[in-house]
Amino acid sequence: EVQLVESGGGLVEPGGSLRLSCAASGFSFSGDWMEWVRQAPGKGLVWVSRVNGDGSSTNYADSVKGRFTISRDNAKNTLYLQMNSLRVEDTAVYYCARDRDGLASWGQGTLVTVSS
Amino acid sequence: QSALTQPASVSGSPGQSITISCTGTSSDIGAYNFVSWYQQHPGKAPRLMIYDVSNRPSGVSNRFSASKSGNAASLTISGLQAEDEADYYCCSYTTSATLVFGTGTKVTVL
Repeated sequence: EVQLVESGGGLVEPGGSLRLSCAASGFSFSGDWMEWVRQAPGKGLVWVSRVNGDGSSTNYADSVKGRFTISRDNAKNTLYLQMNSLRVEDTAVYYCARDRDGLASWGQGTLVTVSS
Repeated sequence: QSALTQPASVSGSPGQSITISCTGTSSDIGAYNFVSWYQQHPGKAPRLMIYDVSNRPSGVSNRFSASKSGNAASLTISGLQAEDEADYYCCSYTTSATLVFGTGTKVTVL
């Protein structure tokens, strides 16, 4: 069974940093692109970032480019999102998703709140 | 990276069919056959319903179907059931090697 479990969310002040993790199991982690998607309270889904299987190719939404860094450790079956210079508008539930014939599997999400 | 355009809400009675539209551009929906659709119930993670325009993953009811024409895609739910009441999002791969989601549609079963 595919499982994705996010962690690392919490309350942070504007300008602060946070690192999210997504622990994967039940599939060949290194073989798939992985995505981060976020959802602000009461709002829609917004794509954030993606990384290919070996970590050599990454893409970002314009709203996070230069502030967020996606990475993965295939030895640990874990996906990361390093978030720096956080803004109030980054407040959201952050989901990781496996990109295999669509975003086929999602984690339960981790809440990031940016507030003073 | 503008969001794809979906109607804010669609409603129907049990047993009826409804269709949700998703309008993009030649840089996203019109460029590739990589359109997917997601269902999200309140407080839950999204669930993949359709991938690559019209393919259903294992376990998804055949009451869900989808298609694409030009820069637009659509999702049809036939035989509407109470459990179909949820938010639905389209998503497309783009020519910038990014993904873009739709604005989301709330489906209400009357």
